[in-house]
Amino acid sequence: SQQGEEDPQALSIQEGENATMNCSYKTSINNLQWYRQNSGRGLVHLILIRSNEREKHSGRLRVTLDTSKKSSSLLITASRAADTASYFCATDRSSASKIIFGSGTRLSIRP
Amino acid sequence: EPEVTQTPSHQVTQMGQEVILRCVPISNHLYFYWYRQILGQKVEFLVSFYNNEISEKSEIFDDQFSVERPDGSNFTLKIRSTKLEDSAMYFCASRDRDRGSNQPQHFGDGTRLSIL
Repeated sequence: SQQGEEDPQALSIQEGENATMNCSYKTSINNLQWYRQNSGRGLVHLILIRSNEREKHSGRLRVTLDTSKKSSSLLITASRAADTASYFCATDRSSASKIIFGSGTRLSIRP
Repeated sequence: EPEVTQTPSHQVTQMGQEVILRCVPISNHLYFYWYRQILGQKVEFLVSFYNNEISEKSEIFDDQFSVERPDGSNFTLKIRSTKLEDSAMYFCASRDRDRGSNQPQHFGDGTRLSIL
């Protein structure tokens, strides 16, 4: 399967610090996406990176993709309390196909 | 910003009963999906729907499940005879056609289904 697996499973940092989460997957992909899920809520799309891209930025988010290592990282800079959530990577093999989610990283931001 | 909306937010049903979960995808989106998340587990793909037919389904999506787009706005998931193990959060998603850049799937807030 092409599941992504996030690392670490849980991360607790001080407000203002940077948070880095990693994702690994097994098969070739077309896109890799990162989603956020607040407790008991839906999945909010954060950023999509295509397989031919290596880095992408959106506000305080920076995503990298290394297709040779089948891995991606999500960096959140200058973390805020509101960033507390679970973060999931998800991959697809073609643009309109299903996406396969990893098990997620639970991020806690300490005030 | 346009949103995917799902109703109800929480559904409690007796085992063996039929349930219909409703979704209103983002207007003008062409691709529709259902996923589920059992408590504490990964989000799992159930089914994708395009051009008024199922384009892909998972092993979970057996004969007790069906999807329908009865009109131009709603997208429903029906579970015919619910089982205890169907208890989960069910997410609907929709996606626009690619417009020069690959489009993400946008998710609703989910319906929490509890089977008693």
